Amino acid sequence: DSGVTQTPKHLITATGQRVTLRCSPRSGDLSVYWYQQSLDQGLQFLIQYYNGEERAKGNILERFSAQQFPDLHSELNLSSLELGDSALYFCASSVSPNNEQFFGPGTRLTVL
Amino acid sequence: GQQLNQSPQSMFIQEGEDVSMNCTSSSIFNTWLWYKQDPGEGPVLLIALYKAGELTSNGRLTAQFGITRKDSFLNISASIPSDVGIYFCATPAGFNKFYFGSGTKLNVKP
Repeated sequence: DSGVTQTPKHLITATGQRVTLRCSPRSGDLSVYWYQQSLDQGLQFLIQYYNGEERAKGNILERFSAQQFPDLHSELNLSSLELGDSALYFCASSVSPNNEQFFGPGTRLTVL
Repeated sequence: GQQLNQSPQSMFIQEGEDVSMNCTSSSIFNTWLWYKQDPGEGPVLLIALYKAGELTSNGRLTAQFGITRKDSFLNISASIPSDVGIYFCATPAGFNKFYFGSGTKLNVKP
């Protein structure tokens, strides 16, 4: 158990809908990262937060947004969902951006 | 762009065999990390390396931080079926950058 929690574990929804994925980092970690992993693909970096502030953006679509709250948990919002958004979404956390990341168990999103 | 080149892309081996994989870059890094991802699960940190030339073991796994600081190697001895998964190398490359390799998919035949 990495100490990073993600909810929900599975999510099935329809095209055009909006969903929110939630992540709680390890105790003491200030940085949170979001990744997308499509079937048999590598990890695609989406966005990074550090102590509530956005620090880096990767290949994140405009339909996606995220935030990190004062208690350091983070939410990833995915809207106007398309079939191609079906993937595993991972959250990771680290003490600071220059330290090793610890991953949560992921949320499997299926868009029908 | 892709900062870390990981090879091989996939491996099919017999149980009991030793495995070697590596990760290279044209850039110098101060930390090398190795993760393993089981199917449908989140990557798990296996070994962290912080010093050029460092050799670190975790059970049957041994990883080395290349002396040039541009590469790292992961070896698995006497492979078993539960070693199946994808192995990623990774490195924090600055305050806002964290690079992952594309992964080595390991298949172990019992």
